[in-house]
Amino acid sequence: GENVEQHPSTLSVQEGDSAVIKCTYSDSASNYFPWYKQELGKRPQLIIDIRSNVGEKKDQRIAVTLNKTAKHFSLHITETQPEDSAVYFCAAMDSSYKLIFGSGTRLLVRP
Amino acid sequence: GAGVSQSPSNKVTEKGKDVELRCDPISGHTALYWYRQSLGQGLEFLIYFQGNSAPDKSGLPSDRFSAERTGGSVSTLTIQRTQQEDSAVYLCASAVYSNQPQHFGDGTRLSIL
Repeated sequence: GENVEQHPSTLSVQEGDSAVIKCTYSDSASNYFPWYKQELGKRPQLIIDIRSNVGEKKDQRIAVTLNKTAKHFSLHITETQPEDSAVYFCAAMDSSYKLIFGSGTRLLVRP
Repeated sequence: GAGVSQSPSNKVTEKGKDVELRCDPISGHTALYWYRQSLGQGLEFLIYFQGNSAPDKSGLPSDRFSAERTGGSVSTLTIQRTQQEDSAVYLCASAVYSNQPQHFGDGTRLSIL
């Protein structure tokens, strides 16, 4: 079945710098890749997603890139702000439509 | 409703008791998912429904876990004879259809004493 690995597990950046989180997946049939942000004690919130027919997608300061050949995808946050501090999860949707999640990245943006 | 609603928000129970968790999806969403999140961990898939049927139950940890969905709307997750390792946050998500973005509820924090 699908397996998703996520790196790094923790990431600390200075406010204004960029942050990059990377994920790899194992099942070449996976075709939908969302990213969720989870603040402490809160629900995971969908922040951006990408389908396998697209290589890159942007939404203001957030972008996601997908390399189907290498089976990896990345989240890029530019001009980070303290309110970006949270745990970020990547996921891949397998052929039976369930999401397989990465283990999460704890992002800390230092003011 | 405006979002996915889960109840109760917190549940504390003794080992060996049965518990029932409820999820009310976003109106019109046909797909409904249950996940489990242990403290400081990622999300673990349990089961999903498309309409009232459950095409994938592969994530249920044991036969003590069951779920149902009636009327294509509300779902209940039942855990029988609870064990301490069942302590976690149980999250529900819904989607317009099974290949569409999933939106999560606030979860039920289950604590087994």
